[in-house]
Amino acid sequence: AQSVTQPDIHITVSEGASLELRCNYSYGATPYLFWYVQSPGQGLQLLLKYFSGDTLVQGIKGFEAEFKRSQSSFNLRKPSVHWSDAAEYFCAEDPSGNTGKLIFGQGTTLQVKP
Amino acid sequence: NAGVMQNPRHLVRRRGQEARLRCSPMKGHSHVYWYRQLPEEGLKFMVYLQKENIIDESGMPKERFSAEFPKEGPSILRIQQVVRGDSAAYFCASSPVQGRYGYTFGSGTRLTVV
Repeated sequence: AQSVTQPDIHITVSEGASLELRCNYSYGATPYLFWYVQSPGQGLQLLLKYFSGDTLVQGIKGFEAEFKRSQSSFNLRKPSVHWSDAAEYFCAEDPSGNTGKLIFGQGTTLQVKP
Repeated sequence: NAGVMQNPRHLVRRRGQEARLRCSPMKGHSHVYWYRQLPEEGLKFMVYLQKENIIDESGMPKERFSAEFPKEGPSILRIQQVVRGDSAAYFCASSPVQGRYGYTFGSGTRLTVV
């Protein structure tokens, strides 16, 4: 079955430290990949997306993600985390590229220590 | 340019009542998608609509749930005879065309069935 895996359910980092959130997708030769962030009680905000081209994608709020086809991964990174980055992060895939039928990972909750 | 507007933000219904959730897509967006976020289950696709057409309802429960996106007005997700298990956050997303530009999510409607 098609799936998106986020291996880390919960991550804690210190403010100012670097961050990497892992995501593995399971389907699609040319997947459409997304990272969304959700603050408590809020909706989902798109951080970045990958459709094709350069495998290193820049997003909002200083985030970036790297698409690695050989590893079926699309990990999210940030060089220096801010306290306001504490939230839940979702990786998602549109396996067929244009269906709107996103498959979401289970999410990773990020806690930031002062 | 307002984003995707969902209302109400919070909805409480007694078992057996009907719930109507509304979604107004972003200006210029003609594709609407509904997702449900159940506790411990993550975000799941429910239905994809264009104006006056249901394109993909493969994620909709077979009974009690229906969706529409009329020529005029917002998209409506309707749940008849609600049960406790329907308690969840329901998110709407929209896109200008299918796929490539990503999906903008609303802030969601949190349905509580008592």
